[in-house]
Amino acid sequence: QPVLTQSSSASASLGSSVKLTCTLSSGHSSYIIAWHQQQPGKAPRYLMKLEGSGSYNRGSGIPDRFSGSSSGADRYLTISNLHFEDEADYYCETWDSNTRVFGGGTKLTVL
Amino acid sequence: QVQLQESGPGLVKPSGTLSLTCAVSGVSINSKNWWSWVRQPPGKGLEWIGEINESGSTSYNPSLKSRVTISLDKSKNQFSLKLTSVTAADTAVYYCARAVAGPFDSWGQGTLVTVSS
Repeated sequence: QPVLTQSSSASASLGSSVKLTCTLSSGHSSYIIAWHQQQPGKAPRYLMKLEGSGSYNRGSGIPDRFSGSSSGADRYLTISNLHFEDEADYYCETWDSNTRVFGGGTKLTVL
Repeated sequence: QVQLQESGPGLVKPSGTLSLTCAVSGVSINSKNWWSWVRQPPGKGLEWIGEINESGSTSYNPSLKSRVTISLDKSKNQFSLKLTSVTAADTAVYYCARAVAGPFDSWGQGTLVTVSS
């Protein structure tokens, strides 16, 4: 089954941009993933679905400050014009027949 | 708009059975979806537990498979989780979630279940 690897933490300044990475394991580089945001004390929220081609579809109500891109086995989430409310944990998710997998999550700090 | 709401006991004794229900509104549980349970131990990441589709077909996380049962109650538009032989390691916030064609696109608010005597 696929494995997703994320950096444990990232930080960026208010109003700047940040790019988070989720890496698919060997043999799974073509997989579609999803990004979810989890603000402190809240449930996860679906942000987008991201294909290996770099094509992405944001969830309902997700601002266009959130975008996705891909390169090989890497899937990226870019957040532009950072707001304090973007400070959260970000998880990538993928799925296969009969299984679903999450990355370990990246804790984003907005300075 | 789909809404999911978890309910169940917040405290379960060691070796007992954890039972939770997810009430679904805004969509029929008979529609072509996958209905899942995900948990998150305090301070840790997300772990997929398992899922069921509208036909009743199930898939479970291999690490939990021997202890998990997920079922549908179509008359009440809800689905349920049972986890047997619980230990302190099963203490977590439990979320229900929906997947349509791929990823989870809707999540419940979560419910904390503590395993303790």
